[in-house]
Amino acid sequence: QVQLQESGPGLVKPSQTLSLTCTVSGGSMSSGPYYWSWIRQPAGKGLEWIGRIYTSGSTKYNPSLKSRVTISVDTSKNQFSLRLSSVTAADTAVYYCARLQMADAFDIWGQGTKVTVSS
Amino acid sequence: QSALTQPASVSGSPGQSITISCTGTSSDVGSYNLVSWYQHHPGKAPKLMIYEVNKRPSGVSNRFSGSKSGNTASLTISGLQAEDEADYYCCSYAGSSTYVFGTGTKVTVL
Repeated sequence: QVQLQESGPGLVKPSQTLSLTCTVSGGSMSSGPYYWSWIRQPAGKGLEWIGRIYTSGSTKYNPSLKSRVTISVDTSKNQFSLRLSSVTAADTAVYYCARLQMADAFDIWGQGTKVTVSS
Repeated sequence: QSALTQPASVSGSPGQSITISCTGTSSDVGSYNLVSWYQHHPGKAPKLMIYEVNKRPSGVSNRFSGSKSGNTASLTISGLQAEDEADYYCCSYAGSSTYVFGTGTKVTVL
């Protein structure tokens, strides 16, 4: 079955760019009508949707993060990526990648990766 | 785009039923039958429990059910079991291909 796995640095300095990759295994990203999303959870807080991408490269972002977020896809590697620029301590969180169904529900999630923003 | 409002905690004894509310606005929950619910055990990947307000994915127990009235969606867990102890989040489509999650509810089995 399809599985997702996040990877990337666990520590990022303030004002720098956070970069994470989600690797999809057990199936091709292009095989179905799915979107691919990033979601985060700051410590002690709830989930926050960051954005999503289709395999065509079409993206949509959370308006509150739009100016700092870029999501890209590499179907040849079965991966999609997140870049969040100008990070601050408020961006410290566990970051999840997830598959978004056409029914507008996130049906498969990665285990999450913790990213700390600190000097 | 503000987070949907959920009670911080709900508790119940084994075998009882509990209901978690998820209150949004006419721009999200009230406008679309696209509310989903997730069970999250800390340190693990969240699990989809309900989608499109009241549909269960294959493999999810029928003890979990969803409903919606106006701007408020609800998740009911019947026959509460120890393994149901977790955090639960609602999520709604919010228009223009965007999504908003709830504030989260910690379910405690007494």
